[in-house]
Parts: sequence; structure tokens; C-alpha cells
Amino acid sequence: EVQLLESGGGLVQPGGSLRLSCAASGFTFSSYAMSWVRQAPGKGLEWVSAISGSGGSTYYADSVKGRFTISRDNSKNTLYLQMNSLRAEDTAVYYCAKVGAGYCTGGVCHLGAFDIWGQGTMVTVSS
Amino acid sequence: SYVLTQPPSVSVAPGKTARITCGGNNIGSKSVHWYQQKPGQAPVLVIYYDSDRPSGIPERFSGSNSGNTATLTISRVEAGDEADYYCQVWDSSSDRVVFGGGTKLTVL
Repeated sequence: EVQLLESGGGLVQPGGSLRLSCAASGFTFSSYAMSWVRQAPGKGLEWVSAISGSGGSTYYADSVKGRFTISRDNSKNTLYLQMNSLRAEDTAVYYCAKVGAGYCTGGVCHLGAFDIWGQGTMVTVSS
Repeated sequence: SYVLTQPPSVSVAPGKTARITCGGNNIGSKSVHWYQQKPGQAPVLVIYYDSDRPSGIPERFSGSNSGNTATLTISRVEAGDEADYYCQVWDSSSDRVVFGGGTKLTVL
């Protein structure tokens, strides 16, 4: 069974740091891109970051670029999100998601859909 | 940056057809994915690449995409379909994922 299990959430003060982890099982982890998506309380989904299967390519939303770092350890089947300089507006449930098959055409590559999601981990930034 | 626009809410009677739209500039040239999210649960992929259904998703769910509008259609709506629905694309011009604001489907 394909599973994603997030951990590492909690309460942190503004300006602080936190590292989220996402343990994957049931599929060949290194063959798939992975992503983080967050959802503030009562709000919609917001994409945060994505990383290719090899880890060689990373993508970030403007709202977190320069503060968050996505990475992966394919030997441990684990995805990470290092979050620094946290702000109140970063308060949200953070989901990791497996990215399905993408495609490339005309030299441009397209990320696939988020076909498997974890249950999420809550991050609260407050003093 | 690319923007996706969804109606905040759609209401439908049981057994009828619900259509949830997702508007974007020339969205027909992009691949659209749709997610269902019930309260307190993680999102679930219901349609990918405009009109493909993952295994386990009922045939009542279908999708289309043309021009400036993509549409998620739910036929023979059931009470269990009540949820928030989000459209999503990959904006290759900026290498960013974009989500629509979400539509709350209410089954009357």
C-alpha cells in the first residue's frame, strides 16, 4: 500500500525554524517527484515546493523562496522541508504529496498530478 | 503569475448533475487536475490530465478543458460528494504549481 506519513510539525515562535519529514512507503520513492502543499486554517490549498526524483531540480512558491528548503534522501525514502524565518502566515497544515507521471514536450517539462497525499502535519507560528 | 478562478460554491440536488468550473487564461493549453477534499481529510485526486480518472474514482466524475475554462462534472450527485473541490495546473512559464481557490459543493 502506498503511504506517506508526515512528522515534525508543532508550535514555533516567529523567526524560528522547523524541519518537516515525510516517510514514504509502497512505491519506488526515487522514481517520483515529491511536493509539499499547505492549507491555512479555513483556507484553500497553497502549493509550497516540489523536488524531482533525483533531487536535482527544486521549485518553490514565491511566498517561501529563500526561507524554505526542500530536500530528499532516497536511501531513506524520506522527503524533507526545512523552514526558516517562520512567520505567522506560515501557520497551516502541511501535506506531502507524491507527484504522478509528468511529461515533456517541445523542450518544456510539466509536473504531474498529486496522486497520493499524506494526512498532514500542523505547523503553528505564534509567540 | 497565472491565476485560476473557481466559484466559491455550487449547490445541487441529489441525483442531478454538478458542474464546477475553473477559469484561466488559455487554460485549454494546460493540463488540469482536480482534487476533492472532505472536512478534516487530506485531498484526493479525482481527475488528472483534464479527463482521466484514477482507479477507484467513480465514473460519475468526469472532466473537460477548452478555451479559458476547465470543468469538473459530477453526474448523479450523492450526499457523499459534498466536499471542497480544487483545480490545479502546472505553469511551465514560471515553473510553479497553481491551485484554484476551491469550490464548496453542497448537496441539497
